[in-house]
Amino acid sequence: DADVTQTPRNRITKTGKRIMLECSQTKGHDRMYWYRQDPGLGLRLIYYSFDVKDINKGEISDGYSVSRQAQAKFSLSLESAIPNQTALYFCATSDSGQHTDTQYFGPGTRLTVL
Amino acid sequence: ILNVEQSPQSLHVQEGDSTNFTCSFPSSNFYALHWYRWETAKSPEALFVMTLNGDEKKKGRISATLNTKEGYSYLYIKGSQPEDSATYLCALYMDTGRRALTFGSGTRLQVQP
Repeated sequence: DADVTQTPRNRITKTGKRIMLECSQTKGHDRMYWYRQDPGLGLRLIYYSFDVKDINKGEISDGYSVSRQAQAKFSLSLESAIPNQTALYFCATSDSGQHTDTQYFGPGTRLTVL
Repeated sequence: ILNVEQSPQSLHVQEGDSTNFTCSFPSSNFYALHWYRWETAKSPEALFVMTLNGDEKKKGRISATLNTKEGYSYLYIKGSQPEDSATYLCALYMDTGRRALTFGSGTRLQVQP
């Protein structure tokens, strides 16, 4: 079984709809992250969380919100989806957040906003 | 926002060729540099974490070097194989107050059989 799972894997939605992407992990890590990937732009950080009470904005948080329901779950919401939010979204985890900690990525969610 | 630059953006080589690509970054306030390998339709996976100036890491045919004073890291692949085809991502952990990695845009490598 995968250590970091994301649901759904693919989603097509319409402009203005509310969308939630979910991430779960069984690694027991405290830190969780949401990234989006656009062609030619690499991975850009949307939000990150160090524990259930510590949530931080990344470089592109506008238009997104998150919820850390438990240590193992971190959800990303698009309150009113727009076409330029069409992208591949990755969730990731890391252990203690030290600068040498490896991040472990989920399989990604491909979101299309029409 | 911290700029992590990777070059080239893409690379096509023949099987058996050796290749290398670059990650450049501001050299001040450096903590660690990470290399990830991302195959199409899969998740990015960690290759190396490097912290010291002059550090060198190796995993099979892939190796990496780090120069923190001048702000660059090289990733080398010796005798490229088709299974090396992937996007190679560089990411930095810097003392910018943001306690997270900043990723470059990646180098996409395609190895032709």
